[in-house]
Amino acid sequence: DQQVKQNSPSLSVQEGRISILNCDYTNSMFDYFLWYKKYPAEGPTFLISISSIKDKNEDGRFTVFLNKSAKHLSLHIVPSQPGDSAVYFCAAFDRGSTLGRLYFGRGTQLTVWP
Amino acid sequence: EPEVTQTPSHQVTQMGQEVILRCVPISNHLYFYWYRQILGQKVEFLVSFYNNEISEKSEIFDDQFSVERPDGSNFTLKIRSTKLEDSAMYFCASSEVGLSQPQHFGDGTRLSIL
Repeated sequence: DQQVKQNSPSLSVQEGRISILNCDYTNSMFDYFLWYKKYPAEGPTFLISISSIKDKNEDGRFTVFLNKSAKHLSLHIVPSQPGDSAVYFCAAFDRGSTLGRLYFGRGTQLTVWP
Repeated sequence: EPEVTQTPSHQVTQMGQEVILRCVPISNHLYFYWYRQILGQKVEFLVSFYNNEISEKSEIFDDQFSVERPDGSNFTLKIRSTKLEDSAMYFCASSEVGLSQPQHFGDGTRLSIL
């Protein structure tokens, strides 16, 4: 199942700089996208979401951009903080055909160093 | 902040035995889900549950799996006759009514089959 892909397994960023995490999808029926953050020994924590009718959604330091034509979304974290170090998962679903079956990417390990 | 609670955090079971994983979803949520993550692999959808019945299940969710909401607060996943390949982290999630409501996850149960 390769419907959601995160091609970068890891990303290392200096504190205060921007972190950009990328995600691609193949299913054109996906119309709702979410980012989750996961610390070791914890479950995924919801961060931010975006509907396919928008191309940007912002919440504090976190902004998600959606490019439907490219089937690509990205999560920007500005400024990055050491506490942001975690695995970030991109997830998607098709609201027209499911109550909420999320498809996840493999995740990107973000490390923010001082 | 309300959270999804899962017990136990770690379950070790002999192959062929039955296991029940327990979850207490967030109290005003009406949609419930189970996902699993085999070590090194993606988080995968197992089943969604609404209005006391299964809404959707994946190809993984075969006859050895079942879900139940035995009372007003618990949501359980039963695996009838465990196999070695059932070893994984099992995450419960819940969401409010509405297709654009994010799913909130518990911290998971690590299931180890010997």
